[in-house]
Amino acid sequence: NAGVTQTPKFQVLKTGQSMTLQCAQDMNHNSMYWYRQDPGMGLRLIYYSASEGTTDKGEVPNGYNVSRLNKREFSLRLESAAPSQTSVYFCASNINYEQYFGPGTRLTVT
Amino acid sequence: EDQVTQSPEALRLQEGESSSLNCSYTVSGLRGLFWYRQDPGKGPEFLFTLYSAGEEKEKERLKATLTKKESFLHITAPKPEDSATYLCAVQDQGAQKLVFGQGTRLTINP
Repeated sequence: NAGVTQTPKFQVLKTGQSMTLQCAQDMNHNSMYWYRQDPGMGLRLIYYSASEGTTDKGEVPNGYNVSRLNKREFSLRLESAAPSQTSVYFCASNINYEQYFGPGTRLTVT
Repeated sequence: EDQVTQSPEALRLQEGESSSLNCSYTVSGLRGLFWYRQDPGKGPEFLFTLYSAGEEKEKERLKATLTKKESFLHITAPKPEDSATYLCAVQDQGAQKLVFGQGTRLTINP
């Protein structure tokens, strides 16, 4: 039981490049979430998916898109990366209101 | 709007020196208050959920308590391995998402 896994662990992009962050959970949870964590800002919700086939915007959705591919997988896409998207990105899944987090992706946009 | 404020931002203790971390919150209706531990370079790790005022939960040297306006995370006789950032979050009734505080960075010196 791996819990929540994320790939890649680290990524460096140039401004304007695109990429997809992958997240998978093996706990059969319905809800999944994408957060970003920045110094002094705490964890902020980007998008979430309450169940397979549904997605909703969080606090900071601009510049991102998501896909809930199936119950296990929830991906986050940056179509045209900007330096302001330099951050650590965490995926989480939820059961009984308790969220379980992945190890994070550290993204730098130059 | 739901808000969470944690204090202090940072706390340095000697091994064995007990103390408390504070989480003040504002929600229209509390579904749950959550405590997480985050080690450097890792994702948050779930510790406790508290649902109603007066509730207490314990795990090893940690005890979390809840009132109608705040929660405390008491740490008794801490050890260096308790050093981490402790995050508090709340979930409003009817909401899917958590709102996080900015965390308290706890350092336990041997």
